[in-house]
Amino acid sequence: NAGVMQNPRHLVRRRGQEARLRCSPMKGHSHVYWYRQLPEEGLKFMVYLQKENIIDESGMPKERFSAEFPKEGPSILRIQQVVRGDSAAYFCASSPRPSGGNTIYFGEGSWLTVV
Amino acid sequence: TQLLEQSPQFLSIQEGENLTVYCNSSSVFSSLQWYRQEPGEGPVLLVTVVTGGEVKKLKRLTFQFGDARKDSSLHITAAQPGDTGLYLCAGARTGANNLFFGTGTRLTVIP
Repeated sequence: NAGVMQNPRHLVRRRGQEARLRCSPMKGHSHVYWYRQLPEEGLKFMVYLQKENIIDESGMPKERFSAEFPKEGPSILRIQQVVRGDSAAYFCASSPRPSGGNTIYFGEGSWLTVV
Repeated sequence: TQLLEQSPQFLSIQEGENLTVYCNSSSVFSSLQWYRQEPGEGPVLLVTVVTGGEVKKLKRLTFQFGDARKDSSLHITAAQPGDTGLYLCAGARTGANNLFFGTGTRLTVIP
């Protein structure tokens, strides 16, 4: 039973380029969450999506960041015109139901380095 | 503002010692989870506690949820080098869509 799959695991981008991070949830899970972890910090919620819908994007920066979870295919976190401060680990998690009170399962993360 | 505060932030102990990590908040949570994260990997779920006062044991790890569901503790007995890692607590709140993560406790167990 495959877990949450994220790719790429490591990504290096120059300032101003675009970064696309992909997440395939566990089989049977229709709820996807993206979290960001800065060095030596805890995880910060970014966005919660169900298939084709953004449910809660209260943790997403207002500019340059977007997320989608299409009917077919993985969820995508897109960062346009990256800056050095975007360097972080980005974790995707999934659950079969909304996370309130329920367990969510994390992928192994995508490490973005902006040079 | 951090919703969940963990203490200590860093902990370095000798193999065989006991330790307790605390996760505190002024908010009530419907459930609380503990994760362990190793460098370069994602958080791995250790336990979920849902009832005030609940105690769960996982081999040498004992988890407790406070009676008022505002705090939790993780106690490790006879720590081993394999216990080294970042321990994160995360709380779920009724009506919220996401988990709120604590600040983390980085544990190092020295052989």
